[in-house]
Amino acid sequence: KQEVTQIPAALSVPEGENLVLNCSFTDSAIYNLQWFRQDPGKGLTSLLLIQSSQREQTSGRLNASLDKSSGRSTLYIAASQPGDSATYLCAVRHSGGYNKLIFGAGTRLAVHP
Amino acid sequence: EAQVTQNPRYLITVTGKKLTVTCSQNMNHEYMSWYRQDPGLGLRQIYYSMNVEVTDKGDVPEGYKVSRKEKRNFPLILESPSPNQTSLYFCASSSTGYEPKLFFGSGTQLSVL
Repeated sequence: KQEVTQIPAALSVPEGENLVLNCSFTDSAIYNLQWFRQDPGKGLTSLLLIQSSQREQTSGRLNASLDKSSGRSTLYIAASQPGDSATYLCAVRHSGGYNKLIFGAGTRLAVHP
Repeated sequence: EAQVTQNPRYLITVTGKKLTVTCSQNMNHEYMSWYRQDPGLGLRQIYYSMNVEVTDKGDVPEGYKVSRKEKRNFPLILESPSPNQTSLYFCASSSTGYEPKLFFGSGTQLSVL
C-alpha cells in the first residue's frame, strides 16, 4: 500500500532563506507527483506536477525534483518570503490506481520577516 | 474563471440528520473526487468519479454516498451523519489527459454534534 511521508512536519525560517521540503513514498510505481500549497481556511492550490518520466519542474522560485527509484521528491523554495507561509502537501498518483491520489500530511512553513 | 465551487462553507448539524454538500466545476472535467482532511492524517479520498454515472469508492467511503448525474456536479451525501464525520471536506476535479492537474474547492468545514 502506497504511503506518503513529509518531513519536517513544521518549519520556521527567516525571510530570504533557501529551503527544501521533503516528500517520500513507499511504492515507486507512480504515474505522477504533485505539490500543493494550502493556506489556512482555503483549498489546495497546485504548484507543480511532475510526470513519472520527468526529473524536475520549475515555476518561478519553486523547483520540484523527483527520484522515483529512491521514492523521494523535494520542493526547493528560493529566497523565501513571508507570503510563502502556508502548508505544503505532496501527493502521488499511483500507476496501478490512476484514480487515486495519496497525500502526505504536509509541512507547515512559517517565514518570518 | 475556472473554479470548483463547494457549498456550504461551514455546516453544523446533529447526529442522524441527512445532509448534502454540493460541488460544481466549470472546466468540463471528467474526473471529480471528494476528500476529507483531518489533523495529522492528511487528505483521504472518499469517492471519485471518472465521468457521468461512473463512481467508485476511495479509501474511506463508509457513511458517504455520491452521485454524478451531470458532468459538472458531484454532490456528497451523508445519510446519517455521526460525530466521527466531523472534518474538513474538499471537492476536486481534473481532466484525464497527460497532465491531470487537480483543482480544489475552498472546502466545507462540517461539525456533527
